[in-house]
Amino acid sequence: DTGVSQDPRHKITKRGQNVTFRCDPISEHNRLYWYRQTLGQGPEFLTYFQNEAQLEKSRLLSDRFSAERPKGSFSTLEIQRTEQGDSAMYLCASSPGRGRFDEQFFGPGTRLTVL
Amino acid sequence: AQSVSQHNHHVILSEAASLELGCNYSYGGTVNLFWYVQYPGQHLQLLLKYFSGDPLVKGIKGFEAEFIKSKFSFNLRKPSVQWSDTAEYFCAVYSGTASKLTFGTGTRLQVTL
Repeated sequence: DTGVSQDPRHKITKRGQNVTFRCDPISEHNRLYWYRQTLGQGPEFLTYFQNEAQLEKSRLLSDRFSAERPKGSFSTLEIQRTEQGDSAMYLCASSPGRGRFDEQFFGPGTRLTVL
Repeated sequence: AQSVSQHNHHVILSEAASLELGCNYSYGGTVNLFWYVQYPGQHLQLLLKYFSGDPLVKGIKGFEAEFIKSKFSFNLRKPSVQWSDTAEYFCAVYSGTASKLTFGTGTRLQVTL
């Protein structure tokens, strides 16, 4: 499968714990995006990388959230001191990076449940 | 900030019925518009997109959408739905200088036999 992959697919944690998610984009895609989706809502943008540079962050991304893409390939999203309100599906997407706007390909997501 | 409205939250149709799902966006500049579909248990997939040119866009599986700039709309249509079209449908927009997609809240389509 050459699509976007995410790991883990499900994560259950207790409030206050730290969690880290991984996203592997489609090979040679320069852009990588993180979104969050809660029940009954569409995905909401969190942050965006062009290669290894984090170019945009949403106000939704509080200081407990940090994302990295150290070598311009895979990315990690870490949530520190998780809260019940962090429970959501975390989606990763990648795009080729040709032109200003190009098609984003989504991964299956990581479902986080904070108890 | 741009926003996307999908007025139909849950639609139930019989097989072979025609479908139209509404999508309105709030941005006056150049927009790029998308419809994504999420089948049960699967990830988001692109149905169709509008970047420029012919405002009537054809996508996969017989879906089409029409961009009407004067109405800020990008409604999704299909002449005859199938049971396999049961899914959640999301309208999304790129706008301005942002490299992010802004999604609507989605429409859940249920097709009955």
